[in-house]
Amino acid sequence: AQSVTQLDSHVSVSEGTPVLLRCNYSSSYSPSLFWYVQHPNKGLQLLLKYTSAATLVKGINGFEAEFKKSETSFHLTKPSAHMSDAAEYFCVVSDPYSGGYQKVTFGTGTKLQVIP
Amino acid sequence: GAVVSQHPSRVICKSGTSVKIECRSLDFQATTMFWYRQFPKKSLMLMATSNEGSKATYEQGVEKDKFLINHASLTLSTLTVTSAHPEDSSFYICSAVLKYEQYFGPGTRLTVT
Repeated sequence: AQSVTQLDSHVSVSEGTPVLLRCNYSSSYSPSLFWYVQHPNKGLQLLLKYTSAATLVKGINGFEAEFKKSETSFHLTKPSAHMSDAAEYFCVVSDPYSGGYQKVTFGTGTKLQVIP
Repeated sequence: GAVVSQHPSRVICKSGTSVKIECRSLDFQATTMFWYRQFPKKSLMLMATSNEGSKATYEQGVEKDKFLINHASLTLSTLTVTSAHPEDSSFYICSAVLKYEQYFGPGTRLTVT
């Protein structure tokens, strides 16, 4: 069984300051992990993904995440927040060998607010 | 590559009517597609797995007679919400699988009045 926990439902940062969105996972297998962003009334956009290669993953728009197996974490970071980063962020875990496709589990989401 | 579209992006229907949502993989073939539902301020909940050429697999608690899924071709899956009620109002998102990864559509906002 797999699960993912996003520890913060809301995060508020000032523009230009660092962003940290936390995610912990549980998986019986070597997981694939993803971060998606969703702007209001929009679909999901993939920010980055970890698939057992480098543990530090760089994504789009300056975001990156580090896979830490010992801590079962995959936190999302960005050095400097921009107003356009305000959105909902989802951490997602997948079981790579479930029925021939990757069935994913979504976290509950973290809403990022960026204060001017 | 790996683009998934949904149509319509928004739909408003009257209570008791049915509405069909299409999910298309535009530049690849997908034998498996997923349908999710997102409640306001909530995460995405998997509704069903759509398999080309066979019956869909529904998650526990999802009414298969209410949410009809047809995966008629390798690039198209449809979700029909039958006899819609206001509580069916939601954001529906599909995904298509390519090489063990899911690619998500932009979503469809359904409002039942």
